[in-house]
Amino acid sequence: EPEVTQTPSHQVTQMGQEVILRCVPISNHLYFYWYRQILGQKVEFLVSFYNNEISEKSEIFDDQFSVERPDGSNFTLKIRSTKLEDSAMYFCASLSVGGRAEGYTFGSGTRLTVV
Amino acid sequence: GDSVTQMEGPVTLSEEAFLTINCTYTATGYPSLFWYVQYPGEGLQLLLKATKADDKGSNKGFEATYRKETTSFHLEKGSVQVSDSAVYFCALLSIIQGAQKLVFGQGTRLTINP
Repeated sequence: EPEVTQTPSHQVTQMGQEVILRCVPISNHLYFYWYRQILGQKVEFLVSFYNNEISEKSEIFDDQFSVERPDGSNFTLKIRSTKLEDSAMYFCASLSVGGRAEGYTFGSGTRLTVV
Repeated sequence: GDSVTQMEGPVTLSEEAFLTINCTYTATGYPSLFWYVQYPGEGLQLLLKATKADDKGSNKGFEATYRKETTSFHLEKGSVQVSDSAVYFCALLSIIQGAQKLVFGQGTRLTINP
């Protein structure tokens, strides 16, 4: 069964450093997403990406965040200057065209710890 | 905007007990509804889904019925096992002006004791 692959599984970084979280979505999917889950809290939408541009972003997704699909395969989330409150599990997901009934496929997540 | 409200947790049950986790939603139209499960240390996995009113999603002994009249999608299982211990998330697929996203409830942590 096709999978969404996320790397690394766990990253520890110092406050103020830049981090890049990587995702390889399912190859024939066209919608891509990042969500995050602060420990013990709800899963929150960050951003959606379609046709090489952001289609929607939440209030959380401020100027410190950016997304890119540099090579038609990887889908990355960059946090420019990490803060302690960025510590969370970050999930990538992809959705096929006409995927209204299919749901999403999620990666297993990257646990980001900012110290 | 679209939202999902789940039963507050945590929920602790004994093995073989009956499980209900309530979920209600607010949305424009009739969104597809989902239950996702997160086992300890793992990511989100789709447990079941329903795409229209009166549809029943089922998987691994879990069931949920899409009730339009009560805007609910309660998760049930007749006899839980220790291996069902996980966090369960109710979600809907929100489509606004062509942009799609999943909107999650707050999650319900379920612990099953032997």
